[in-house]
Amino acid sequence: QQQVKQSPQSLIVQKGGISIINCAYENTAFDYFPWYQQFPGKGPALLIAIRPDVSEKKEGRFTISFNKSAKQFSLHIMDSQPGDSATYFCAAHYGKLTFGQGTILTVHP
Amino acid sequence: GAGVSQSPSNKVTEKGKDVELRCDPISGHTALYWYRQRLGQGLEFLIYFQGNSAPDKSGLPSDRFSAERTGESVSTLTIQRTQQEDSAVYLCASSLNAGGFTDTQYFGPGTRLTVL
Repeated sequence: QQQVKQSPQSLIVQKGGISIINCAYENTAFDYFPWYQQFPGKGPALLIAIRPDVSEKKEGRFTISFNKSAKQFSLHIMDSQPGDSATYFCAAHYGKLTFGQGTILTVHP
Repeated sequence: GAGVSQSPSNKVTEKGKDVELRCDPISGHTALYWYRQRLGQGLEFLIYFQGNSAPDKSGLPSDRFSAERTGESVSTLTIQRTQQEDSAVYLCASSLNAGGFTDTQYFGPGTRLTVL
């Protein structure tokens, strides 16, 4: 019930392309869905977050799409840049944060 | 201003030894969290502090793990009689309010623990 499944495990995108990372959950009590970005040797940093009463949230090149009925949410990175190369984690909150397994994104120049 | 700091950055220990990991949160942050990140895995919640009390210890994997916090300042995570499966990066985060996990959490760089 508390699990959050994230895919793909790794993703390679060309510069300027769109990166899409997907997460699925089971627990309908989750009430907050953040995405974190982690660079090697650093702690994760909050990138963008959404609540389930909203279907989409956009901040710059980063967009979260949320499908409540399908219990899925995704991160879209438009115009991907080499500096976006990092590990991305989705998470879901109900009493505590439950994290997905992470996606290693590599953006080739 | 300074972010969340953790020490040591790396710790290598022998199986059966005790270790202490330290976290200095951002000044003024009332909430503090500990997570464990195994290689190639997501973050696993361990414990949450509100001030110096721990309302949620549910993530501590065994009674070998304990944590304490002094006021709204430093926290120490102690692992007794370390086992090889304790090898991981231990991350600390803090947030401004005691409102729970929807407040933005600011993470430290982590302590990489290796148990030989």
